[in-house]
Amino acid sequence: GQQLNQSPQSMFIQEGEDVSMNCTSSSIFNTWLWYKQDPGEGPVLLIALYKAGELTSNGRLTAQFGITRKDSFLNISASIPSDVGIYFCAGQPRYSNYQLIWGAGTKLIIKP
Amino acid sequence: DAGVIQSPRHEVTEMGQEVTLRCKPISGHNSLFWYRQTMMRGLELLIYFNNNVPIDDSGMPEDRFSAKMPNASFSTLKIQPSEPRDSAVYFCASIINTGELFFGEGSRLTVL
Repeated sequence: GQQLNQSPQSMFIQEGEDVSMNCTSSSIFNTWLWYKQDPGEGPVLLIALYKAGELTSNGRLTAQFGITRKDSFLNISASIPSDVGIYFCAGQPRYSNYQLIWGAGTKLIIKP
Repeated sequence: DAGVIQSPRHEVTEMGQEVTLRCKPISGHNSLFWYRQTMMRGLELLIYFNNNVPIDDSGMPEDRFSAKMPNASFSTLKIQPSEPRDSAVYFCASIINTGELFFGEGSRLTVL
């Protein structure tokens, strides 16, 4: 079946550093979504991307829909302690208007 | 506007018991999803409802699992009988045709 490769699996960073994570797929997606999940909570939508090449920002977060439609990245600038959590990418395949294929998540940890 | 509301937040039960999880989607959202999240398998789609009708239940593990959506503001996921391998966090999510899922806070199920 269709799979998403999300990397890195985890990141240890210093407060103030920039963060970058990405997802790649073997197939084309119509939509890319980035979610963040805090402990004990459900995933919360950060950014939604709908067109190849689209670059969208949400505060210190920036995400891009790859030109090939098979990849997406999320950048976080000047990380702060509340950025800690697990970030998931999700893609909506062409064959479905409701299914999402999920990445395994990137766990962000800020070093004290 | 209230988000997706799930209950109970935590459930601990013994193997063989019936478990019922409840969900109230966001008002006006016409699609509802039940997901299961585990460390090993990540987020798995169990069932998808559109306008209260089950459209895709291919993710429901087996006959012990059933889901209903009697009206636009309420859905249940039932496990009978429960088994230890059903232990997971169960999320309900709703959308309004944009592909941008809004998740509830989840129901953490532990089956002893």
